[in-house]
Amino acid sequence: SQTIHQWPATLVQPVGSPLSLECTVEGTSNPNLYWYRQAAGRGLQLLFYSVGIGQISSEVPQNLSASRPQDRQFILSSKKLLLSDSGFYLCAWSFSGGYTDTQYFGPGTRLTVL
Amino acid sequence: AQSVTQLDSHVSVSEGTPVLLRCNYSSSYSPSLFWYVQHPNKGLQLLLKYTSAATLVKGINGFEAEFKKSETSFHLTKPSAHMSDAAEYFCVVSPYGGATNKLIFGTGTLLAVQP
Repeated sequence: SQTIHQWPATLVQPVGSPLSLECTVEGTSNPNLYWYRQAAGRGLQLLFYSVGIGQISSEVPQNLSASRPQDRQFILSSKKLLLSDSGFYLCAWSFSGGYTDTQYFGPGTRLTVL
Repeated sequence: AQSVTQLDSHVSVSEGTPVLLRCNYSSSYSPSLFWYVQHPNKGLQLLLKYTSAATLVKGINGFEAEFKKSETSFHLTKPSAHMSDAAEYFCVVSPYGGATNKLIFGTGTLLAVQP
């Protein structure tokens, strides 16, 4: 069976500091990977998705970036955090090829920028 | 344009009574539809998925949803609420009914279960 991990679970960072959130998937190969942000009262916002190593699509222009250095690893980064980057960050995966629309979510990372 | 509307932002029920969470969708194609549940500070868990095989879809934890094309609805129900059902529920549409990378999420319904 497949498992998705995210870390850290919680993070408190000062404004202007860098960010690195990691997501890994086990039990499947070549998954599609996604980063979402869930801000208070604003629902889920798709930030990035990836269909393969080094292939990143950005949905929302911002000071965040994503990378996929390995098949089952997805990293969300920022060089300088803003207050507005606070939120709950969710990583998700789906099978690639054929019907890919079911997404499975990780446990999330709660980021607070002070 | 594709969209999904959750008609209630908050629903409160008593333990042991039925649950109804309402969702309407708009899609130009045959959609896939999902319900996810999110407990506080947790990720989203898939409850059930509709893919046109059957209009009544049974999910985990006693939940089910009925796809009604004529009403463009996909309401989530459960015969008897349990305290552990208290959470936020998201109705989601995959507008192209298959291979797509972009889901459309509703704004969520917060379910409270009173003892």
